[in-house]
Amino acid sequence: GAGVSQSPSNKVTEKGKDVELRCDPISGHTALYWYRQSLGQGLEFLIYFQGNSAPDKSGLPSDRFSAERTGGSVSTLTIQRTQQEDSAVYLCASSPKGLPSDNEQFFGPGTRLTVL
Amino acid sequence: KQEVTQIPAALSVPEGENLVLNCSFTDSAIYNLQWFRQDPGKGLTSLLLIQSSQREQTSGRLNASLDKSSGRSTLYIAASQPGDSATYLCAVCNQAGTALIFGKGTTLSVSS
Repeated sequence: GAGVSQSPSNKVTEKGKDVELRCDPISGHTALYWYRQSLGQGLEFLIYFQGNSAPDKSGLPSDRFSAERTGGSVSTLTIQRTQQEDSAVYLCASSPKGLPSDNEQFFGPGTRLTVL
Repeated sequence: KQEVTQIPAALSVPEGENLVLNCSFTDSAIYNLQWFRQDPGKGLTSLLLIQSSQREQTSGRLNASLDKSSGRSTLYIAASQPGDSATYLCAVCNQAGTALIFGKGTTLSVSS
């Protein structure tokens, strides 16, 4: 079946602009995660959504970052007033959370963001 | 704060060798541990998931072990092939199941 998809695959923007990154999780998966992968920092957790519960935003690096998940499916990560240090690959993952054995996370191909 | 360390950072081996990648974590209160593969410019591919109650998982030429009490996991790759060249990432899931905490990876190069 279809995996996690993300769009765009690449995004180049100017410092100070806002950007939106989109994630379509695997159909039926209730949990959705955003991560960031930057040079030297490795992969960092940003935010987690589970069904209709309040998201875990503990990984968001600043208030310029926000995310929403509409209808329990598609998610959008928004970065306002982008800075050069925001340049990274943004990865989305989903999992069929409900049972401990279902907690494997499946990742999308990522969006490479470059802030000039 | 949970920290995940992977050793070595890079490894080069000739084709056919068996090899071991190491992962250690500081807090043994984990939900599960997952090994991923990442090819250059690509996303992550899940290789093996070990629940906290399990000791090992096998898939083809891959075998992953977990020793939760000592905070260690190993990924064993048998009869390595050039197609195995990639970065291998280890990640532990926190007790709440809300986030994966990743190591920085081991970049493997298998020469023919």
